Amino acid sequence: DVKVTQSSRYLVKRTGEKVFLECVQDMDHENMFWYRQDPGLGLRLIYFSYDVKMKEKGDIPEGYSVSREKKERFSLILESASTNQTSMYLCASSAPLTADQETQYFGPGTRLLVL
Amino acid sequence: QKEVEQNSGPLSVPEGAIASLNCTYSDRGSQSFFWYRQYSGKSPELIMFIYSNGDKEDGRFTAQLNKASQYVSLLIRDSQPSDSATYLCAVSSGGGADGLTFGKGTHLIIQP
Repeated sequence: DVKVTQSSRYLVKRTGEKVFLECVQDMDHENMFWYRQDPGLGLRLIYFSYDVKMKEKGDIPEGYSVSREKKERFSLILESASTNQTSMYLCASSAPLTADQETQYFGPGTRLLVL
Repeated sequence: QKEVEQNSGPLSVPEGAIASLNCTYSDRGSQSFFWYRQYSGKSPELIMFIYSNGDKEDGRFTAQLNKASQYVSLLIRDSQPSDSATYLCAVSSGGGADGLTFGKGTHLIIQP
């Protein structure tokens, strides 16, 4: 089974703090992703990474950065947390379904509250 | 901007009936299509994927794809109360290795 873990289930931070959300997968997958999920807006892609030290912007990268120093670990960084970043953050790792098709398996999520 | 549209529901279906969930997408270049189930407070879990026109069956679930109409559906036969959840349609233009574009989900309620 694909296993994706996230460092925290719940976090409470203050406005302006630097926040690190960490994600680890144990299946040697190359592709990893960060999404946020908000009521009425659904899941939106923030950043993804194809390989170590590689990163690509998703649909809503503003206010976020990422780091991937090791293949199994993908970190999401909020440089200066703001209240509009209060959300559920979901990490995913991509696994092959067929020779040319992949899909994403999600971690349990981190619910972040920024006060 | 790629868009995936779903009726938010709630969709209420009697136990044992067929639940039909629909999804349309805007990007004609989309190649892969996924259905995820999400229980309240949990993360999404993959239940079906499809990338060729037609039907694909897996147990009580059938995914249907019509690329000409840009339409994907999920049928759940013999619906059970445990099927009550939010169902997310997701689309990829890159075989799934790039990011997925999700619909906002349909909330399904199976009435005992």
